[in-house]
This record gives sequence, structure tokens and C-alpha cells, in this order.
Amino acid sequence: DSGVTQTPKHLITATGQRVTLRCSPRSGDLSVYWYQQSLDQGLQFLIQYYNGEERAKGNILERFSAQQFPDLHSELNLSSLELGDSALYFCASSVEGTSGPQETQYFGPGTRLLVL
Amino acid sequence: DAKTTQPNSMESNEEEPVHLPCNHSTISGTDYIHWYRQLPSQGPEYVIHGLTSNVNNRMASLAIAEDRKSSTLILHRATLRDAAVYYCILRDVVTSYGKLTFGQGTILTVHP
Repeated sequence: DSGVTQTPKHLITATGQRVTLRCSPRSGDLSVYWYQQSLDQGLQFLIQYYNGEERAKGNILERFSAQQFPDLHSELNLSSLELGDSALYFCASSVEGTSGPQETQYFGPGTRLLVL
Repeated sequence: DAKTTQPNSMESNEEEPVHLPCNHSTISGTDYIHWYRQLPSQGPEYVIHGLTSNVNNRMASLAIAEDRKSSTLILHRATLRDAAVYYCILRDVVTSYGKLTFGQGTILTVHP
């Protein structure tokens, strides 16, 4: 158990809909990362938040957005869903996320999204 | 980010050592070498990391070539639970911004 929790575990929805994925980082971790894992693209970094502020963006679509709240939990919002958005979405957390190259990230169990 | 190259798959027998190679010929002097693994139906988990010297922890050992252009993750006695996808990742303080850049990894199969 990494200490990172994600809800829900599974989500089935239809094209055009909007969903929210939630992540609670490990106690004390200030940084949250979101990753998407699909069969064709592998594991890809989407976005990073540090202590409530956006720190880095990766391959995140404009239809997707995220935020980190004062209690440090984070939500990833996916809207106007398409079939190709079906994937595993992982959240990870780290202590500081100050891009220190030795820092370890701790991953949650993921949310499996299926868009029909 | 500098690129890594790993074999697509490897096989091992239980209780035998496993050597998982990673080539990173364009590694820079400030790149750390990290290994993560992803067990079936789970999120990735950290295994080990190093810069220049060989490293050991309770999970594995990391052997880094003298020129740093390659490294090897060593599992001393593979168990069935070690069956996973192993990712070799380079992390640089300037360009990584904390993100992990995953490649395709090596699928390790462990036979009883």
C-alpha cells in the first residue's frame, strides 16, 4: 500500500460526458502528479500540482483539467469524453516535487475509465 | 529527456537471479537512473535509483557502467511476485520538473 488513494476504482460513462477522478496523496506529500496509461500510448505524464499550484504540464488535453485543494487532495476533470479517453489514470505523490532528481514518487492504484 | 532502451521482455525461473539491462547512451552527467516496476493491475512502484555508484536496497541492486551509458537492475532471487513491467527512467533536475517519463519497459515473466 503506497498510501495514495484514488476514487473511484472503475468508471463507465458515455461519450460526451464529464467525470471527476479524485486522489488523496500520502500524508505529508505536497506534490501530486497525474498520469494516463493507455494501450497505445503507454504511461504518460499529464500534469503536476505542488501545494495547490500548477507546476508542470505534460500531454494533457484541453478538455482535461485538474486542481489541488487546500487539504492537498487533487481532482482530475475529464470533459467531452471520447472513446480514446478510455484508459487507466494514475495519481502519484511526492514530498516536495521540486524536481529533485532523486525524489521518489508513490503511485495510487489507479482509476480505470471506460468510455462507451 | 534522454532516452532509454530496454528489451521488450525477459524470462526467469523462480529463485534465480535476474539481470534487467537498460541502455542510455545519451545520458548526461546530471541524470539519475531510476527503476520503477508495475505489477499486474497496480500502479508503478519505485525500485531503486543511482547516479554513478552501484546501489543496493532490500528490493534489488543497481549496477551502473563506468561510462554510465548502461545500467542493470539485478533481482537476486526472483519470486513469482516479481513478475511485472520494469521501467528504466532517467531524471534530470533541469528538464524533468519532477515528472517521470516512462518508456515501454521490460515485461519480466517468472516461471515457477
